[in-house]
Amino acid sequence: EVQLVESGGGLVQPGRSLKLSCAASGFTFSNYYMAWVRQAPKKGLEWVATISTSGSRTYYPDSVKGRFTISRDNAKSSLYLQMNSLKSEDTATYYCARMMVPYYYFDYWGQGVMVTVSS
Amino acid sequence: DIVLTQSPATLSVTPGESVSLSCRASQGISTSIHWYQQKSNESPRLLIKYASQSISGIPSRFSGSGSGTDFTLSINRVESEDFSVYYCQQSYSLPLTFGSGTKLEIK
Repeated sequence: EVQLVESGGGLVQPGRSLKLSCAASGFTFSNYYMAWVRQAPKKGLEWVATISTSGSRTYYPDSVKGRFTISRDNAKSSLYLQMNSLKSEDTATYYCARMMVPYYYFDYWGQGVMVTVSS
Repeated sequence: DIVLTQSPATLSVTPGESVSLSCRASQGISTSIHWYQQKSNESPRLLIKYASQSISGIPSRFSGSGSGTDFTLSINRVESEDFSVYYCQQSYSLPLTFGSGTKLEIK
């Protein structure tokens, strides 16, 4: 059974940093692209980052480019999201998701972790 | 960026009715559209890939259609467990984008 379990969320002040983790199991992690998708309270879904199987290629929307960094450790079947210079608009539930390539849709999602950016 | 416009924002139906949810893209995207269901306080779940391709484990009452700019998610005879929010997502080009969602509620 595919499982994705996020951790590392919490309350953080504007301008500070936070690192999210996602532990994957039930599939060969190194064979899949992975992604982060977020959802602000009572809002829709927003794609945040994608990483290739080896980690050599990463993709971001303009809203987080230069502030967020996605990475992975295939030996640990883990995905990460380093978030720097956090803003109040980054407040959201962050989901780890498995991606099917080259099709770029999300076939499995974690339960999500809440990040609140507030002073 | 490709903008996806979902309509209606809210759809009120009686269990047993059949419904169609719309997703319109701001430019042609072939069939690069995928549909997700999100129940209250849960993670999204993939329902349909590439406009009309079924997903293992998803009830057959869910189907999708369309190409180019206009797409439809159809639910044949809505059941109580179907009342949730539905999102479309395009994978034609980066950045990947989602529609704003259609909430299916009980009338």
